[in-house]
Amino acid sequence: KQEVTQIPAALSVPEGENLVLNCSFTDSAIYNLQWFRQDPGKGLTSLLLIQSSQREQTSGRLNASLDKSSGRSTLYIAASQPGDSATYLCAVSLLSGGSYIPTFGRGTSLIVHP
Amino acid sequence: EADIYQTPRYLVIGTGKKITLECSQTMGHDKMYWYQQDPGMELHLIHYSYGVNSTEKGDLSSESTVSRIRTEHFPLTLESARPSHTSQYLCASSEAHQETQYFGPGTRLLVL
Repeated sequence: KQEVTQIPAALSVPEGENLVLNCSFTDSAIYNLQWFRQDPGKGLTSLLLIQSSQREQTSGRLNASLDKSSGRSTLYIAASQPGDSATYLCAVSLLSGGSYIPTFGRGTSLIVHP
Repeated sequence: EADIYQTPRYLVIGTGKKITLECSQTMGHDKMYWYQQDPGMELHLIHYSYGVNSTEKGDLSSESTVSRIRTEHFPLTLESARPSHTSQYLCASSEAHQETQYFGPGTRLLVL
């Protein structure tokens, strides 16, 4: 059974710092990996999707990398801002019983203070 | 911003009541999902659908049921609510070939 672990569980940094959030998974036969942002009491917003054949994806100040062989992904946030404060979730999709089933980590809770 | 809606946003209900959580999307996505999320915990997939008349159970055992009679609509029903059903329920959809999931705002359910 796929297990997804996110480290650290919580992070508090001053504005302007560059950050790295980590995601690891136990079964490397993934179909894709997705990073989400979740604001308190709300649904998830997709940030980046990396297909299994890709190594990284970039969107603005965000860069996500994928190393399937080692079962790891990182989300890099450049020049963090208070508006980046949220919980960041990683999800990997694995083919199971003919369907692609996503498995989520518990997330990293990020606070960026001014 | 994705066009996926959930109603109600909040629901407080007594034990034993039947409830239906609504989820609709206007993007024409074939795939739809229901997740359950407790505070500070990971999302657990409870049901999913790959299209009209297709429904499957997810990893998390659930006493709820779903239906997919129309592409845009994927309601979740609890026949008899219990306090253990108290949680946040998130609906999502995706295009079959792209897999990027778009989430609704969620329904927070409290069963007394």
